[in-house]
Amino acid sequence: DAGVIQSPRHEVTEMGQEVTLRCKPISGHNSLFWYRQTMMRGLELLIYFNNNVPIDDSGMPEDRFSAKMPNASFSTLKIQPSEPRDSAVYFCASSPGLATGELFFGEGSRLTVL
Amino acid sequence: GENVEQHPSTLSVQEGDSAVIKCTYSDSASNYFPWYKQELGKGPQLIIDIRSNVGEKKDQRIAVTLNKTAKHFSLHITETQPEDSAVYFCAARGMDSSYKLIFGSGTRLLVRP
Repeated sequence: DAGVIQSPRHEVTEMGQEVTLRCKPISGHNSLFWYRQTMMRGLELLIYFNNNVPIDDSGMPEDRFSAKMPNASFSTLKIQPSEPRDSAVYFCASSPGLATGELFFGEGSRLTVL
Repeated sequence: GENVEQHPSTLSVQEGDSAVIKCTYSDSASNYFPWYKQELGKGPQLIIDIRSNVGEKKDQRIAVTLNKTAKHFSLHITETQPEDSAVYFCAARGMDSSYKLIFGSGTRLLVRP
């Protein structure tokens, strides 16, 4: 299995631009999670989906952030407009199910907003 | 909600020595406690986990212990090797309906050859 696939691996953009991060979960996994990692705040859960339905988005920092999962094999995290404080590594993870526990992480998307 | 504290933030050991990382959690109803290893430039990877119905679990050189009364759990790595150098995260999952996995702040382990 290819594992969780994220793109782009690196993104450098200017403040005010729209950023879209993409994730392909492991085939057959029903749950998908978006985390953000920074030195100051560690790994923060932003939002997660179960069977393509958003379950909890209380970790999304502001209305500038939005996430979608149009089907079982694709999810996006969008930031519009981006700000320098959004600079972080964004991880997508998938799991066979919510009760299963184990998360399988992608390699992350490193975002730099100038 | 759940809160997870992890110590120490950095740990340096000599190759062959043991390393211990400790975590405490706040939600007494939490029932799942995984440990993840993150190597440079990669995503975290599960190395071992424990559920609340057991007190200890071992997998080769890695062991995890859980004390539900004190609400703390620990990772033990014996006979450390340079390839064990990485950042280790503990996590806990609360028992509310959201199934959120909350991570500790991480421990950077350096194993000196």
